[in-house]
Amino acid sequence: AQSVTQPDIHITVSEGASLELRCNYSYGATPYLFWYVQSPGQGLQLLLKYFSGDTLVQGIKGFEAEFKRSQSSFNLRKPSVHWSDAAEYFCALQAAGNKLTFGGGTRVLVKP
Amino acid sequence: NAGVMQNPRHLVRRRGQEARLRCSPMKGHSHVYWYRQLPEEGLKFMVYLQKENIIDESGMPKERFSAEFPKEGPSILRIQQVVRGDSAAYFCASSLIREAYEQYFGPGTRLTVT
Repeated sequence: AQSVTQPDIHITVSEGASLELRCNYSYGATPYLFWYVQSPGQGLQLLLKYFSGDTLVQGIKGFEAEFKRSQSSFNLRKPSVHWSDAAEYFCALQAAGNKLTFGGGTRVLVKP
Repeated sequence: NAGVMQNPRHLVRRRGQEARLRCSPMKGHSHVYWYRQLPEEGLKFMVYLQKENIIDESGMPKERFSAEFPKEGPSILRIQQVVRGDSAAYFCASSLIREAYEQYFGPGTRLTVT
């Protein structure tokens, strides 16, 4: 069975600083991987996805993620965070059968 | 192109009542998924439907919960005889094709059982 782990429940970062959110997965084959962002009381917005090919993927809002097969990781990064990046971030895996398996989420707080 | 629409956005039900949650997928999308987000928990898959077919209901509670996606109209998630533990945010997502394609999420329905 597949699983996704986001080791950091909360992260606090200063505005303008860099951000990295960790995501580790467990799956027997190459998964399809996604990062979603959820603002308070809102739905989920897709930031980026990895299906195959280039292991560094670019997304919206200045985010990027790197797929590392050897480490079973798909970490999300942003060079310089803005106050509007405060939200909860979910890493997700799509294995056979279409359903998404989500990590527990990382809540990001941005200090002025 | 309108996104995934869910209604109502907020729903309050007393214990024992029925809750009906509606989801209209993005235009052209024929695959619908329901997920539940319990307080302080992540999102969990409930059910995957195509028009008139339930493809995977492995995440649905065995009792009181049902889902449908008729030929015409929105997908419906129905919860009979609601209990306090059903209080959660219920999200619908849709996709264009089966695999290797992103799922687009609606804004969710926040169910409160009093």
